[in-house]
Amino acid sequence: DVKVTQSSRYLVKRTGEKVFLECVQDMDHENMFWYRQDPGLGLRLIYFSYDVKMKEKGDIPEGYSVSREKKERFSLILESASTNQTSMYLCASSSHRGPRSSYNEQFFGPGTRLTVL
Amino acid sequence: KQEVTQIPAALSVPEGENLVLNCSFTDSAIYNLQWFRQDPGKGLTSLLLIQSSQREQTSGRLNASLDKSSGRSTLYIAASQPGDSATYLCAVRLVSAGKSTFGDGTTLTVKP
Repeated sequence: DVKVTQSSRYLVKRTGEKVFLECVQDMDHENMFWYRQDPGLGLRLIYFSYDVKMKEKGDIPEGYSVSREKKERFSLILESASTNQTSMYLCASSSHRGPRSSYNEQFFGPGTRLTVL
Repeated sequence: KQEVTQIPAALSVPEGENLVLNCSFTDSAIYNLQWFRQDPGKGLTSLLLIQSSQREQTSGRLNASLDKSSGRSTLYIAASQPGDSATYLCAVRLVSAGKSTFGDGTTLTVKP
């Protein structure tokens, strides 16, 4: 089974702090994604990556950056946390290799509930 | 821009009923469509993935169908159980895009 893990389930930070959210997948997937989920706004893509050291902006990249130095790890960075970044953050991974029936099936981690005070 | 709509937003049924959840999308040039389940405060669990060349996929009591021409997918749940209570989301990936667009979900409650 694919396993996607996130470094924390719950995180409380103060305004202005630099915040790192880590995501690790164990299935050698090329693609990794960071989303945030907010009531009434659904899931929105922040950044995604197709390969090591590659990154592409999603729909709401402002205020965030990412790092992918190793294939299995994708980090989301909040350079200076703000209260409007309080949210549930979800990481996902997928692969375009393997059986065609499962091409690009996304697998999600358990989520990190971030509160910025 | 792809738009994905799930109606109804909430559904309550008695245990044992068969039910259908709907997902509509505006751009039929899709790469795949994926159904997920989400329990409160948790991540998303993949239920079924339908590639663009497929018409349906089945897993246990779940069956998902895809009709690209009409821009619709349905998730059929047979013999519903209280443990099926969750929010169900669909996600559509376009051929031209590397990312998926998610619907807002249907929150299902199955009453014992």
